[in-house]
Amino acid sequence: DTEVTQTPKHLVMGMTNKKSLKCEQHMGHRAMYWYKQKAKKPPELMFVYSYEKLSINESVPSRFSPECPNSSLLNLHLHALQPEDSALYLCASSQVPGGRNQPQHFGDGTRLSIL
Amino acid sequence: AQSVTQLDSQVPVFEEAPVELRCNYSSSVSVYLFWYVQYPNQGLQLLLKYLSGSTLVKGINGFEAEFNKSQTSFHLRKPSVHISDTAEYFCAVTGSSNTGKLIFGQGTTLQVKP
Repeated sequence: DTEVTQTPKHLVMGMTNKKSLKCEQHMGHRAMYWYKQKAKKPPELMFVYSYEKLSINESVPSRFSPECPNSSLLNLHLHALQPEDSALYLCASSQVPGGRNQPQHFGDGTRLSIL
Repeated sequence: AQSVTQLDSQVPVFEEAPVELRCNYSSSVSVYLFWYVQYPNQGLQLLLKYLSGSTLVKGINGFEAEFNKSQTSFHLRKPSVHISDTAEYFCAVTGSSNTGKLIFGQGTTLQVKP
């Protein structure tokens, strides 16, 4: 069982819809991450939150809007997405922000399809 | 800058045979290395990590890896694979800055045949 929970597992949306992806962890981790993963490729980092504050934005288009309401929750708000945004979106967490020796713990992801 | 090269994109192997998945890295600072496995329709699961100390690291599911500083390698091995080991395997190193960023290799697909 994964300790990072993502909902929903699957999401199909049109290009004009607004939806949100949710991620939750109860390990007391203070760093949380969003990744995008295309088929047969490694995950690509999108955002990093450290102590509930956005610390890294990897030049992600503004149609993706992250939010960290508290230390256990991470959201990714989606609006006006493009077909090329179809992918697996992974959430991860690690114990200490910026800790180079900290492994990241991943959720099972949300598989997003844009019609 | 850090980088990771996984030398094989696909590794086919018969059940109960040994397997080695190769990973080479480059780093200008001290190295922390990880192997992750991704089963179909799942997220990434940590197999093992090298932080310091013994160069032979044992992980879950019977996997182990050896850190070789002189050859800048961190190859993953299992003496006898099962059908259930069929998955995508990613080698990763943390970036040089204190951001927690992971630098992933391109992945190796392990295909275990009966």
